[in-house]
Amino acid sequence: EVQLVESGGDLVQPGRSLRLSCTASGFIFDNYAMHWVRQAPGKGLEWVSGITWNRGAIDYADSVKGRFTISRDSAKNSLYLQMNSLRVDDTALYYCAKGEKVRGGLILTHFDYWGQGTLVTVSS
Amino acid sequence: EIVLTQSPGTLSVSPGERATLSCRASQSVRSIYLAWYQQKAGQAPRLLIYGASNRATAIPDRFSGSGSGTDFTLTISRLEPEDFAVYFCQQYGSSPPTFGQGTKVEV
Repeated sequence: EVQLVESGGDLVQPGRSLRLSCTASGFIFDNYAMHWVRQAPGKGLEWVSGITWNRGAIDYADSVKGRFTISRDSAKNSLYLQMNSLRVDDTALYYCAKGEKVRGGLILTHFDYWGQGTLVTVSS
Repeated sequence: EIVLTQSPGTLSVSPGERATLSCRASQSVRSIYLAWYQQKAGQAPRLLIYGASNRATAIPDRFSGSGSGTDFTLTISRLEPEDFAVYFCQQYGSSPPTFGQGTKVEV
């Protein structure tokens, strides 16, 4: 059974940093692109960042470019999101999502499994 | 980026009725790269449809997707109580992948 479990969300002040983690199980982690998608309270879904299976491609939404860094660790079957210079409008539930295609890219593949999310609140 | 606009924002229907949800793109989407997700309150999104018309694993056949170019539709043929939720479309054919703002299906 595929499982994605996010952690690391917290209440932080504007300008501070936070690191989110997503631990994967039930599939060969090294074979799939992984993504972060966020959802602000009462709002829709916004793709944040993605990383391919071999780290050959990494991309970010314009809203987080230069502030967030995505990475993955094969030994730990884990995906990370380092978030720096946090802003109030970064407040959201952050989901980890798996790309469906084996050794696929960041696009041309839908997201077939999602975690339950971890809440990031940025407030003074 | 491709902007997806879903309509209506809220759809009020009764169990057993048919629901038709629309997703319109700001530019043409290659149809094999259009997905629909269902999100129930307090839960993560769940994949329903990919490639515009392919049902994901274990999705009942009352859910169907259609469309091409800039206009796509999700149809729920006979609403069951568990189908009341928010539905999002997503295009993943061009970067960045984008989502519609969602349609809430309520009683």
